[in-house]
Amino acid sequence: ILNVEQSPQSLHVQEGDSTNFTCSFPSSNFYALHWYRWETAKSPEALFVMTLNGDEKKKGRISATLNTKEGYSYLYIKGSQPEDSATYLCAPYSGGGATNKLIFGTGTLLAVQP
Amino acid sequence: NAGVTQTPKFQVLKTGQSMTLQCAQDMNHNSMYWYRQDPGMGLRLIYYSASEGTTDKGEVPNGYNVSRLNKREFSLRLESAAPSQTSVYFCASSEGTGPRYEQYFGPGTRLTVT
Repeated sequence: ILNVEQSPQSLHVQEGDSTNFTCSFPSSNFYALHWYRWETAKSPEALFVMTLNGDEKKKGRISATLNTKEGYSYLYIKGSQPEDSATYLCAPYSGGGATNKLIFGTGTLLAVQP
Repeated sequence: NAGVTQTPKFQVLKTGQSMTLQCAQDMNHNSMYWYRQDPGMGLRLIYYSASEGTTDKGEVPNGYNVSRLNKREFSLRLESAAPSQTSVYFCASSEGTGPRYEQYFGPGTRLTVT
């Protein structure tokens, strides 16, 4: 079972601030890393699927980078808005053996104050 | 398109009762999953179905059974509910089970076992 760590656990920022958080995972047997956005009272929605070392993905004001050699990914939000308030989950893909599956971290809870 | 739907949204059971959680997707996805979400823990995989006619255990399968009724539907059954099964259950689907496939989640079922 992969050990996935996300930090910080929670973050409070003001509207307009830029912010970032980290996902750490074992670098061996890497296949892919997923980021999901989970708003309160809704269900998780995929943001990015990243597979290559050095990958950078962007969707609007949100971007992510991937370092598979050292086992981490950063998620950045530029100019945070209240609608960005959500829990952001990362999930490396665990392959090989009997089960191929995503291993979800506990998430970073972002609260953006207007 | 409705995406992934789950019924019921809420359920209260007494210890020892049985019930089936229903999930359906209209995206013609091959793979479907059942997760549980508990406080302080990441989403944990209970069972998954890589394709119609196949099911496999995930990380926490004990106390559950599943049926992939057809390509659209994947149900989760609790034969004899226990308080430890109090959780929020999410169904998800994806085009395939490989590392690049993002998962689409249903709205969740909040289950309380007393």
